Amino acid sequence: KAGVTQTPRYLIKTRGQQVTLSCSPISGHRSVSWYQQTPGQGLQFLFEYFSETQRNKGNFPGRFSGRQFSNSRSEMNVSTLELGDSALYLCASRTGSQGAREQYFGPGTRLTVT
Amino acid sequence: AQSVTQLGSHVSVSEGALVLLRCNYSSSVPPYLFWYVQYPNQGLQLLLKYTTGATLVKGINGFEAEFKKSETSFHLTKPSAHMSDAAEYFCAVLDSSYKLIFGSGTRLLVRP
Repeated sequence: KAGVTQTPRYLIKTRGQQVTLSCSPISGHRSVSWYQQTPGQGLQFLFEYFSETQRNKGNFPGRFSGRQFSNSRSEMNVSTLELGDSALYLCASRTGSQGAREQYFGPGTRLTVT
Repeated sequence: AQSVTQLGSHVSVSEGALVLLRCNYSSSVPPYLFWYVQYPNQGLQLLLKYTTGATLVKGINGFEAEFKKSETSFHLTKPSAHMSDAAEYFCAVLDSSYKLIFGSGTRLLVRP
């Protein structure tokens, strides 16, 4: 079974621009979560989507948004980019079934804001 | 609120030596605990998990961890380190909304 895939793997953007990152979960997984990883703040939860609905949101400004499609693929959007948004953005999927708690991560998208 | 503390941001061992990476958690409910490994320029790979049941959990690549409720610990061990084990390791607890709360990570260096 193929793992979680994320595209693109690397991205360079300029301050003020916006960016969209994509995540395809493991086949059959209905839940997708997004995390931001930075050297200073570590791994922080952004949000989770399940069956196209946002179920949980972390402590990030409204510039960070996401959505999930009917095939469980998810996108994350960051508008008005700031230098501090430079990070590795990780997507994780899980089945969403009761009791299934493990999350499987993709390789991440490395975003650099200049 | 749940939290995770990893003692030691860097751990250095010789090849063949015991690996011990420390993790302590704080949780008001029975915790679900995980160890992940991250190799350079890669995502997180699940090493092992504790949900319920046996307190000694075996994972991939020869790693295991023991859940000790009385010590609120979930330390990761491997009897004999390999060069390929050099990576960053993260301990995490799952909160009630299925959000993972991570420790700050421990970078393992393996000396030849």
